[in-house]
Amino acid sequence: DTEVTQTPKHLVMGMTNKKSLKCEKHMGHRAMYWYKQKAKKPPELMFVYSYEKLSINESVRSRFSPECPNSSLLNLHLHALQPEDSALYLCASSTRTRTVQETQYFGPGTRLLVL
Amino acid sequence: DAKTTQPNSMESNEEEPVHLPCNHSTISGTDYIHWYRQLPSQGPEYVIHGLTSNVNNRMASLAIAEDRKSSTLILHRATLRDAAVYYCILRDVKSGTYKYIFGTGTRLKVLA
Repeated sequence: DTEVTQTPKHLVMGMTNKKSLKCEKHMGHRAMYWYKQKAKKPPELMFVYSYEKLSINESVRSRFSPECPNSSLLNLHLHALQPEDSALYLCASSTRTRTVQETQYFGPGTRLLVL
Repeated sequence: DAKTTQPNSMESNEEEPVHLPCNHSTISGTDYIHWYRQLPSQGPEYVIHGLTSNVNNRMASLAIAEDRKSSTLILHRATLRDAAVYYCILRDVKSGTYKYIFGTGTRLKVLA
């Protein structure tokens, strides 16, 4: 089972709010990814976790804070966001991150609107 | 920075084959070429990947040029459900970790 689930599906928040996006993946996958996708643009990588440790941060602003509490969960904590942060946030997982031909499995995404 | 270039959009008639091109002139010898597609309101889904030889699976075929600087995703009989954005992807390495670099994608429109 390679399904990745994300909650919530939609989120509206104000610039002073604190919220969290959640992602749950297959337990056998040891790599997890957060992507941001603006309308009509390709996904852009934000973070990579490998064996529950952060291995890539693509210079993402500190108002986005990832967390990997265990091998099947990934959170993205949001604080003091700006309207330009409105986007589709995608979670993905793969077996590992250090092999060339890994396939990533994506969740359906959380559509975030910042007012 | 994107390592692949794709046409912005293409159209196809239903039940006809579709050839989606991708240029990756800076590809290295060990780079696999991955294709994903994104249906409306969904996350990307895996289609196919390959290194040098042409590849087939139940969804599509991947034809890779001999010099590996381009590839073509082939949908043998397009259906309305194939309407999606198709991404050609190479990987990059940062801190020993592979990451996807998505191209700009080709929006495929299938006409009934």
